[in-house]
Amino acid sequence: DADVTQTPRNRITKTGKRIMLECSQTKGHDRMYWYRQDPGLGLRLIYYSFDVKDINKGEISDGYSVSRQAQAKFSLSLESAIPNQTALYFCATSLGGKGTGELFFGEGSRLTVL
Amino acid sequence: TQLLEQSPQFLSIQEGENLTVYCNSSSVFSSLQWYRQEPGEGPVLLVTVVTGGEVKKLKRLTFQFGDARKDSSLHITAAQPGDTGLYLCAGARNAGNMLTFGGGTRLMVKP
Repeated sequence: DADVTQTPRNRITKTGKRIMLECSQTKGHDRMYWYRQDPGLGLRLIYYSFDVKDINKGEISDGYSVSRQAQAKFSLSLESAIPNQTALYFCATSLGGKGTGELFFGEGSRLTVL
Repeated sequence: TQLLEQSPQFLSIQEGENLTVYCNSSSVFSSLQWYRQEPGEGPVLLVTVVTGGEVKKLKRLTFQFGDARKDSSLHITAAQPGDTGLYLCAGARNAGNMLTFGGGTRLMVKP
């Protein structure tokens, strides 16, 4: 079983709909992240959380919100989806501490907004 | 413009050839990581470099961090079809800072 699990893996929705992508992890890591991947742009950080009570905006947080329900769960919401939010979304985890450690990624959630 | 520029964006080569992928920036990074991503999966860490001029080898892959810690390269010797994938570099400006990713190099190695 994957250490970082994302659901759903694929979703097609319409403009204006509310969408939630969920992430759960069994690695015991404190830090969790949501990234968006678009061709040629690499991975861009949407939101991150260093512990259950900590939520921080990344470089492209507009149009998104998150919830850290527990150490192991971090969900991403699109309140009113728009076509340019069509992308591959990744959840990731890392250990805490001073260094910039390894990121462990889920398998991704492909979202298409029509 | 991205903070980290990767080149080339696409590379298609024959099995057995050598190749180099570049990751460049005008900014200094405290550390730089390389990830490989295969279709349908998330990126997986290959290596982290933290010292200017550092060279690390992982079987047929050689990673180098520039002396000024502004750039890095990945060299693959005798590429194999199993090397096919998207290679991403990612840098941290300061220890504990969020990673910034390059745009990626998509490599295809034909048998």
